[in-house]
Amino acid sequence: KQEVTQIPAALSVPEGENLVLNCSFTDSAIYNLQWFRQDPGKGLTSLLLIQSSQREQTSGRLNASLDKSSGRSTLYIAASQPGDSATYLCAVRRTGNNRKLIWGLGTSLAVNP
Amino acid sequence: DGGITQSPKYLFRKEGQNVTLSCEQNLNHDAMYWYRQDPGQGLRLIYYSQIVNDFQKGDIAEGYSVSREKKESFPLTVTSAQKNPTAFYLCASSQGQAHQETQYFGPGTRLLVL
Repeated sequence: KQEVTQIPAALSVPEGENLVLNCSFTDSAIYNLQWFRQDPGKGLTSLLLIQSSQREQTSGRLNASLDKSSGRSTLYIAASQPGDSATYLCAVRRTGNNRKLIWGLGTSLAVNP
Repeated sequence: DGGITQSPKYLFRKEGQNVTLSCEQNLNHDAMYWYRQDPGQGLRLIYYSQIVNDFQKGDIAEGYSVSREKKESFPLTVTSAQKNPTAFYLCASSQGQAHQETQYFGPGTRLLVL
C-alpha cells in the first residue's frame, strides 16, 4: 500500500532563507509526483509535476526533485518570501490501472518578515 | 476567466438533513472529482466522474451521492447517512482520462453541522 509522508509538519523561517520540504513514499512504482500549494481555507494550486522518468522540475524560485529508488522528493524554495506562507502538499500517482492520487498531510510553512 | 467554482463557501447542516454542494467548471474538462479534507488526514476521494452520466465511487463514498447530468457540473449531496459530515470539501477537474492529468481545484466548501 502506498503511503506518503511529509516532514516537517510545520516550518517557520525568516524571509530570504532557502528551504527544503521533504516528501517520502513507500512504493517506488509511481507514475508521477505532484506538489501543490494550499492557502488557509482555500483550494489547491498545482506547483510542479514530475513524471517518473524525470529527476527534477523547476518553476521560478521552486525546484522539485525526484529520487524514485529512495522513495523521496524534495521541494526547494529559494529566497523565501512572506507570500510563500502556505501549506505545501505532495501527492503521488500510482502506476497501473488505478492512478488515483495518494496524498501527504502537508508541510505548513510560515515565512516571517 | 476559466476555472472551477464551488458554492456556497460555508454550509450548515441540521441533523437528518441532506445538503448539496455545487461545483461548476468552464475548463471543458472531462473528468471531475470530489475530495474531503479533514485535519490530520490527507485528502480523501469521495467520487469521481469521467464523462456525463457516469461516476465512480472513491475511497469514502458512503453517505454521499453525486450526479453528472452536464459536463460542466458535478454536484455532491451529503445525505443524512453521513454521520460525520463536518469537513472541507474540494472539487477538482482534469482533462482527458480520470487520474491521468493534473487536477485543478476549486476554492472549497466548508460544511458544518448545527
